[in-house]
Order: sequence, then structure tokens, then C-alpha cells
Amino acid sequence: KAGVTQTPRYLIKTRGQQVTLSCSPISGHRSVSWYQQTPGQGLQFLFEYFSETQRNKGNFPGRFSGRQFSNSRSEMNVSTLELGDSALYLCASSDYNRLAGGTDTQYFGPGTRLTVL
Amino acid sequence: GNSVTQMEGPVTLSEEAFLTINCTYTATGYPSLFWYVQYPGEGLQLLLKATKADDKGSNKGFEATYRKETTSFHLEKGSVQVSDSAVYFCALTDRDDKIIFGKGTRLHILP
Repeated sequence: KAGVTQTPRYLIKTRGQQVTLSCSPISGHRSVSWYQQTPGQGLQFLFEYFSETQRNKGNFPGRFSGRQFSNSRSEMNVSTLELGDSALYLCASSDYNRLAGGTDTQYFGPGTRLTVL
Repeated sequence: GNSVTQMEGPVTLSEEAFLTINCTYTATGYPSLFWYVQYPGEGLQLLLKATKADDKGSNKGFEATYRKETTSFHLEKGSVQVSDSAVYFCALTDRDDKIIFGKGTRLHILP
């Protein structure tokens, strides 16, 4: 199976702009999670989508939003970019459904490195 | 709330040395525990996991045992290689199925 893919791999934006990142999960996986990784804060959970519904949300401002499509692909949007949004954004997919079983192992993509100038 | 604490890095060892990276957790219930590894310029890869007390996860010579009595999941390897140089993350899944990561431990292996 192909792994999790993320596009673009690198992105440079300026303050105030908005950005959309894309994630394609492993085929058959319906859960997609997003994380922000920075040297200071480490890995922080942004949100998780399962079957087009947001199932969990981390402690990030409303400028961070996401969605999931019927084919399980997910996008993450950040509006009004700030310098502090510079980070590696990681997407992970799993086939875990607490009710239906499966595995709670998450498989990560290579990330999108966002630089805000 | 649930949390994961792992030893601060960087950890620097010589090739063939014994490795231990400590990880302790705070959680309600019985979370699954994981070690992920991140090689330079890459995303995270699952290294090993354990889903219940006394389970031992193992992969590529690495091992970790789920210790409920000490709330620990320490990562060990008997003989490290230069190619093991990476950042290692301890993690758990909480009752809401969110994954909570430790801060990561950077490992440098010298030839």
C-alpha cells in the first residue's frame, strides 16, 4: 500500500496570508489526524477527522481549521498567518474505529514544512 | 490530564553501547503505549507498541515493556548503531483516541 502523502512538502508564506495543506491517507484508512511540530512545543495535536466529521480537536485558535472529503483525503487551512505558525505540519492516518475495532496505530506522512516570513 | 514525560536529550552514545530512553506516563484507564522514531527530514515512523500491562513491544532490536505499576514504557536496545541516530518519541492514546506525545529525545550515535 502507498503511504500517507502530504502536499506540498515546503511552503513559504508571509504574515497575514492563508495556506491550505493537503493529506492523502493510506487507502482504506478513514481517520486522519493533524499535528504541528515545533522545536519549542514539540508535537501538538491539532484535530482528527473520521468519515468527514471532526472527532477530536486540540487547543489551537480558530484560525486553524480542517475538513475531510468522502475519499478520506483531508485538508488543513490556516488563515491570517503569524510568524509563530512556522512549523512542520504532520498528517497521520489510521484505520482505528473504537466501535468497529481495527488498530490505533497512526501512520505519518513526511510533513509539510511551513515558513512564515 | 493525560501526559507523557521522557528524558531530555540529546543522548550521545558510542556505537555498540546499551541504550535506555526513559518514558513515564500519566493516564486514566489503560492507554496503548507507543514509541515513534523520526529520522532527519522525515515524518514519524512507528517503532513499537504495547496495548496492555506487561506487554513487550519489540522491533529492529528495540524493546519496551508496558509497566503499569511504575507507569513506565522505557525504550532499550542492547547495541546501538550509527543508523539509530534520530529523535525518539514516546506516546499514548487517551480515551478520546487522541495521541499524546512526549517532547522527544534526540539520540546521537558516534562511530
